[in-house]
Amino acid sequence: DQQVKQNSPSLSVQEGRISILNCDYTNSMFDYFLWYKKYPAEGPTFLISISSIKDKNEDGRFTVFLNKSAKHLSLHIVPSQPGDSAVYFCAASFYGSSNTGKLIFGQGTTLQVKP
Amino acid sequence: DSGVTQTPKHLITATGQRVTLRCSPRSGDLSVYWYQQSLDQGLQFLIQYYNGEERAKGNILERFSAQQFPDLHSELNLSSLELGDSALYFCASSVEADRGTEAFFGQGTRLTVV
Repeated sequence: DQQVKQNSPSLSVQEGRISILNCDYTNSMFDYFLWYKKYPAEGPTFLISISSIKDKNEDGRFTVFLNKSAKHLSLHIVPSQPGDSAVYFCAASFYGSSNTGKLIFGQGTTLQVKP
Repeated sequence: DSGVTQTPKHLITATGQRVTLRCSPRSGDLSVYWYQQSLDQGLQFLIQYYNGEERAKGNILERFSAQQFPDLHSELNLSSLELGDSALYFCASSVEADRGTEAFFGQGTRLTVV
C-alpha cells in the first residue's frame, strides 16, 4: 500500500525555467510533509517542509504547496539551476498513537536541469 | 556533511551470512531511524530508536534487528541474508522523536548479497 506517491519518475527542464514536482498521498492522518533531495552516492538532504495547517511555504527558490482536499502537494523550483539535478523525495509523517517521527517516502522523481 | 556517520559504505557478502551496519548520529540527536532503499524504490522505514529504547517499527523482517547503545550509536543486524536484501541502508537522526522534526541522513551502506 503506497501511501505517498510520486507518479512521475523523471522530469527534465531547461535552466532558468520552473520545475514542478508532484506528490499525492492517501492517508488523511498525515499532517506534516517534507521534501528531500538526493545526489548519487549521498544520503537524502532535507529541503523544505510544510505543516497541514498551511497551504504554502517558501524558502528562497523553493516553494511547497499543499492542497489538503486533493491530498496533493507540489514543490516548485524557480529558477531551476543545473545543480538542482537530483532525485527528489516527498515524505509524510503523522501523529499517531505512538509518538514517532518516522517518515513515509514516495518513490522519488529524478529532476534533470539542462544548461 | 550531515553529521551522521555510517559504516561501512559498501558491503558484499554471501547468502546466509550475517552483517552489522553501524550508525553514529549527529551530536545531540537522541533519535535514530533506519531505512531501506531497494532498487528504484523509495525509502522504506524499518525501525526507530529514541534514547536507547525502541520507539517505532516498520516492515522490518524478523531476520533483522537493531539496537541503540548508551552512547547513542546504533547497529542494524541483518542475518540469514537473501539476494533480495541487497539494498541501500540509510540511518537518520533527529533531536526529538516525534513528528515535525527533520531527520538528517547518513550516506548509507550499500549492501550487496551474492
